[in-house]
Amino acid sequence: QQQVKQSPQSLIVQKGGISIINCAYENTAFDYFPWYQQFPGKGPALLIAIRPDVSEKKEGRFTISFNKSAKQFSLHIMDSQPGDSATYFCAASYQGGKLIFGQGTELSVKP
Amino acid sequence: NAGVTQTPKFRVLKTGQSMTLLCAQDMNHEYMYWYRQDPGMGLRLIHYSVGEGTTAKGEVPDGYNVSRLKKQNFLLGLESAAPSQTSVYFCASSYVSGYEQYFGPGTRLTVT
Repeated sequence: QQQVKQSPQSLIVQKGGISIINCAYENTAFDYFPWYQQFPGKGPALLIAIRPDVSEKKEGRFTISFNKSAKQFSLHIMDSQPGDSATYFCAASYQGGKLIFGQGTELSVKP
Repeated sequence: NAGVTQTPKFRVLKTGQSMTLLCAQDMNHEYMYWYRQDPGMGLRLIHYSVGEGTTAKGEVPDGYNVSRLKKQNFLLGLESAAPSQTSVYFCASSYVSGYEQYFGPGTRLTVT
């Protein structure tokens, strides 16, 4: 199965709170798991990425948690800010780098 | 560096018309990709190229053709547009296959 399932579809968080977006996959051949951030009217931009030999990666307020046995990974946004309001996509790479994207999560951070 | 640019930004076509979307990148990337983005479906790979003169099919290639005559350009063609091709089209490029893809600003296409 080449699908990547993402949840929730939309998320509302108060300023300062933690935003959590989850993704699940089936294909154990996936070898690279990036998260992309997309603002309205713009193209997606790489936010953070992880490989399956690492269980966690942190960059500033953004953390990926990776559970290889459960075939799940998640994005945590600490101290969420209104400027983080965007659509977030998880993805997985296979066959030398072609990306399979999740369905997207529309995050709204309320001031 | 302009990064990845796409032309046009918007286009409205009638069913059966043809058009070409142009993608250009100035980062000397070998790999280039065309995606379409539809609500609730994420981004789906249409075609991709692993170098000048090469192209390959992605997940949803039907109804589209591509060409990569120059390393910096990747063209997406619709020979006979259908309403199902109404979408936002994104081009991307990467230095290493697949990893850290850089996306253009998109082309919003409406087929009536």
